[in-house]
Amino acid sequence: GDSVTQMEGPVTLSEEAFLTINCTYTATGYPSLFWYVQYPGEGLQLLLKATKADDKGSNKGFEATYRKETTSFHLEKGSVQVSDSAVYFCALSRPGANSKLTFGKGITLSVRP
Amino acid sequence: GAGVSQSPSNKVTEKGKDVELRCDPISGHTALYWYRQSLGQGLEFLIYFQGNSAPDKSGLPSDRFSAERTGGSVSTLTIQRTQQEDSAVYLCASSSINTKNIQYFGAGTRLSVL
Repeated sequence: GDSVTQMEGPVTLSEEAFLTINCTYTATGYPSLFWYVQYPGEGLQLLLKATKADDKGSNKGFEATYRKETTSFHLEKGSVQVSDSAVYFCALSRPGANSKLTFGKGITLSVRP
Repeated sequence: GAGVSQSPSNKVTEKGKDVELRCDPISGHTALYWYRQSLGQGLEFLIYFQGNSAPDKSGLPSDRFSAERTGGSVSTLTIQRTQQEDSAVYLCASSSINTKNIQYFGAGTRLSVL
């Protein structure tokens, strides 16, 4: 079945550091890929997405590129801020009406001033 | 409404009791999903509704779990004879073709079974 693997956490960085969070997936065909973020005390919200190979999703300075050859969708940001402290989830869904999400385990990012 | 609304936000119950969790999706969203977020299992899909029907119930962990949706809007997730392992945050999400099937999540219901 489908699965998503994220790097182990938690991750602690200093403000303005470079961020990479690894995500790989297992799925047949061409799933859509997502990064969701959960800020403290808030619900899950979509950060970015990509729906086909070589697509790059971007939002709030975060980027991720859909790499079919390595089945990866790594999240990057050039300069993190304290306000980026949150839990980040990588996820996939299949095309079609039922776009249920398969999530990775999530990783907690803490950014210190 | 402006977003997906879930109630209650917190629920504490005793083992063996039944609980009902409510989800009010974004108006006009035809698809509705329930997920469970627990420490041991991460975020897991439970059930998918399209309108009032549930073509995918594959994530429901046991027959103690059931869900319904009425009027193509509000959904209720019911857990009968709750067990301690049911303790988790239950998340609801809704989407529509107009939003390119992007799912919008509620804040969740934190269920604690004592």
